[in-house]
Amino acid sequence: NAGVMQNPRHLVRRRGQEARLRCSPMKGHSHVYWYRQLPEEGLKFMVYLQKENIIDESGMPKERFSAEFPKEGPSILRIQQVVRGDSAAYFCASSQTGGETQYFGPGTRLLVL
Amino acid sequence: AQSVTQLDSQVPVFEEAPVELRCNYSSSVSVYLFWYVQYPNQGLQLLLKYLSGSTLVKGINGFEAEFNKSQTSFHLRKPSVHISDTAEYFCAVRSNDYKLSFGAGTTVTVRA
Repeated sequence: NAGVMQNPRHLVRRRGQEARLRCSPMKGHSHVYWYRQLPEEGLKFMVYLQKENIIDESGMPKERFSAEFPKEGPSILRIQQVVRGDSAAYFCASSQTGGETQYFGPGTRLLVL
Repeated sequence: AQSVTQLDSQVPVFEEAPVELRCNYSSSVSVYLFWYVQYPNQGLQLLLKYLSGSTLVKGINGFEAEFNKSQTSFHLRKPSVHISDTAEYFCAVRSNDYKLSFGAGTTVTVRA
């Protein structure tokens, strides 16, 4: 049973470019969460999605960030016009239901030059 | 939202010595508690969790943690560490919703 998959593992972008991060949940999981880990900090909740629905995006920056989890395919976290402050590790987690244990992927480490 | 405090940011320890990592959280009616481990350049792996029942929880790799409701703590322990336990450890708390609140992490460095 494959775990949570994320790609790419490392992503380098120049300021102003777009970053697109992908997450495939564990088999049988339909709930996806995105967290951001800034240097020297713990993980901070960003957004919670179910298939075709954003349930809670209270942790997402108001501008430039968006997330989706389509009926088919992986969940996507999109960051438009990246700035240096977006450099961080972005982790995706999944669970079977909303109240169950969350299992994390290996993360995508974004570096903005 | 819950706040989680990991009291030690760095814990150096010799191989085969015991280790304890401290975690305190803000009070709530009911909480679910987790410890995750992050090896260098890897994702988070679940070590153990407390959902209900016995307050002493055993996890993988010989780790255990004790839930203390009166002290709002969930300290992680291992009686004898290995070099391979060198990693960052995160305590996380969830209330009656789905959001995990994480502590800032404790870096454990095991020396021979």
